Amino acid sequence: QVQLQQWGAGLVQPSETLSLTCGVFGGSFTSYYWSWIRQPPGRGLEWIGEINDSEDATYNPSLESRVTISVDTSRRQFSLKLNSVTAADTAIYYCARVNRGTGTVFANWGQGTLVSVSS
Amino acid sequence: EVVMTQSPVTLSVSAGERVTLSCRASQNLRSNLAWYQQKPGQAPRLLLYGASTRATGVPARFSGSGSGTEFTLTISGLKSEDFAVYYCQQYNNWPPITFGQGTRLEIK
Repeated sequence: QVQLQQWGAGLVQPSETLSLTCGVFGGSFTSYYWSWIRQPPGRGLEWIGEINDSEDATYNPSLESRVTISVDTSRRQFSLKLNSVTAADTAIYYCARVNRGTGTVFANWGQGTLVSVSS
Repeated sequence: EVVMTQSPVTLSVSAGERVTLSCRASQNLRSNLAWYQQKPGQAPRLLLYGASTRATGVPARFSGSGSGTEFTLTISGLKSEDFAVYYCQQYNNWPPITFGQGTRLEIK
């Protein structure tokens, strides 16, 4: 069974770069797409983007100018960087696995990381 | 961008009842719609995809229907563990993938 475990800084200064990594344990790494999704406290879900093992990335147009998702297949990890953050980027950030065979849906999730943007 | 609208925002029901949650899309999604359940402090859990196919391990009391722009999630015989927030998600016209704002199912 696949497990996703994520880590990264929980407090980021305004205008700095948010950085998170998600490790994949168990299951195949190369047959899937890997996504980041965020959820502001008490609010709904926002898709950030996805990547596959060939480094083909797709981003939410609303965040595309500030986002980079990268992958390290040898370490079975993928990462999120969001630059020039503001308080509006405060959210719980989740990593998730996408199985294209069932459509672009998220069957496996990381535990979530609360990232606060504050000085 | 496809806008997803869920109704109602909050639904107060009793255990054992049957409930129907609605999700409307601003564009035709065919059957490319998923439903998730989220409990406090937890990541969302995939319930249904393809509008009506249950994900692995999801009880049969959860069912979905609809196509195009109108979709429903029905929970038959509500159990205490079903009280949560439910989100719909479209994956027909993307990027971006978009979610509804959620329906909170609470105990009456």
